[in-house]
Amino acid sequence: GESVGLHLPTLSVQEGDNSIINCAYSNSASDYFIWYKQESGKGPQFIIDIRSNMDKRQGQRVTVLLNKTVKHLSLQIAATQPGDSAVYFCAEILTSGTYKYIFGTGTRLKVLA
Amino acid sequence: GAGVSQSPRYKVAKRGQDVALRCDPISGHVSLFWYQQALGQGPEFLTYFQNEAQLDKSGLPSDRFFAERPEGSVSTLKIQRTQQEDSAVYLCASSRKIDSLYGYTFGSGTRLTVV
Repeated sequence: GESVGLHLPTLSVQEGDNSIINCAYSNSASDYFIWYKQESGKGPQFIIDIRSNMDKRQGQRVTVLLNKTVKHLSLQIAATQPGDSAVYFCAEILTSGTYKYIFGTGTRLKVLA
Repeated sequence: GAGVSQSPRYKVAKRGQDVALRCDPISGHVSLFWYQQALGQGPEFLTYFQNEAQLDKSGLPSDRFFAERPEGSVSTLKIQRTQQEDSAVYLCASSRKIDSLYGYTFGSGTRLTVV
């Protein structure tokens, strides 16, 4: 499996500001990507996805950017709210396989009031 | 039910004990996955079922881990002779489509602590 550090990187953001969370993925053949939000004591929750033939996708208050050249994903959250506080994971999928997800290193987002 | 249900919510096992973790997927969901999430890390794939068929078990860490889904609905993850390194949250996820291209729904997990 993926090697991930024990201590999650943390991003602290003032309420109302925009947040940018970054993720590096490992397999250049991965063709589908998802961002998940995980609150304490809960399972990961789907936020937004993007296919490899796209470089940007927008949802409600969230935008995902994909840079395949450097194998990098980012999640932008507009007007960050206290309810956005959670751990965020990106996941990469190779759709020619069994659709198992490979999760990246999570980032803890703390929203400051 | 409306979501993926896992039981028990918490399990404390003595080292060497066998445990069984249950997953009730969303009714009608074809695909079912098990993931292991160690503290402070992202979930790691264990195994995948399409209906009752176990199509991928490449993530199971040892032969002490066994999963089944005999009728294509409820699944059980069994860990024999538990070790301290098995302590983690075990997540189950299901999807109604085989290709799972729109993300699947995770349960809240079972937190296993081996003492």
